[in-house]
Amino acid sequence: DGGITQSPKYLFRKEGQNVTLSCEQNLNHDAMYWYRQDPGQGLRLIYYSQIVNDFQKGDIAEGYSVSREKKESFPLTVTSAQKNPTAFYLCASSNRPVDTEAFFGQGTRLTVV
Amino acid sequence: GEDVEQSLFLSVREGDSSVINCTYTDSSSTYLYWYKQEPGAGLQLLTYIFSNMDMKQDQRLTVLLNKKDKHLSLRIADTQTGDSAIYFCAVSDNYGQNFVFGPGTRLSVLP
Repeated sequence: DGGITQSPKYLFRKEGQNVTLSCEQNLNHDAMYWYRQDPGQGLRLIYYSQIVNDFQKGDIAEGYSVSREKKESFPLTVTSAQKNPTAFYLCASSNRPVDTEAFFGQGTRLTVV
Repeated sequence: GEDVEQSLFLSVREGDSSVINCTYTDSSSTYLYWYKQEPGAGLQLLTYIFSNMDMKQDQRLTVLLNKKDKHLSLRIADTQTGDSAIYFCAVSDNYGQNFVFGPGTRLSVLP
């Protein structure tokens, strides 16, 4: 089945550590996105990538890094520089402008302990 | 940049209609979406509308677009307890470079 997969579903990190969230899609989509969701704030864009080996900062990129070495993969690293990393992280992909929809993964809940 | 606003909470009784409202600022927005998020899950596309349409109906869902006022609404007929979720309004331009989401409206359906 085609889809977008995020792993793990829950992740715990100690303060001062970097952690990488995985996002894989087998939809052959060119574009991939990372969003952060906090209660009452909706989704905020962290990074997006329109094509392999290229990515752009979103609204809240500070303290995060990404790579796009393969079309199907767009991992997000939450670095120790991110001041408040505890949140729900959502990955999405789309094939715009051909398709109208962005497909979302099930999310990863990151908790800093 | 684009700004999308929604009220944060809505409560309705089971069987009633729910109307969730959204306003946006960029008149060049071409695609307007409604996504549903159940607890602890990702977002599921419910429906979308192109900016050259006024209305779209899909079973219990009706989307109304007032382009002049930049106002989008989602009406859910015969609301059920399974409709309890957070509903996100989102807009994007013609090239799909980015999606801009509203803060989400938490719909609670009371028995």
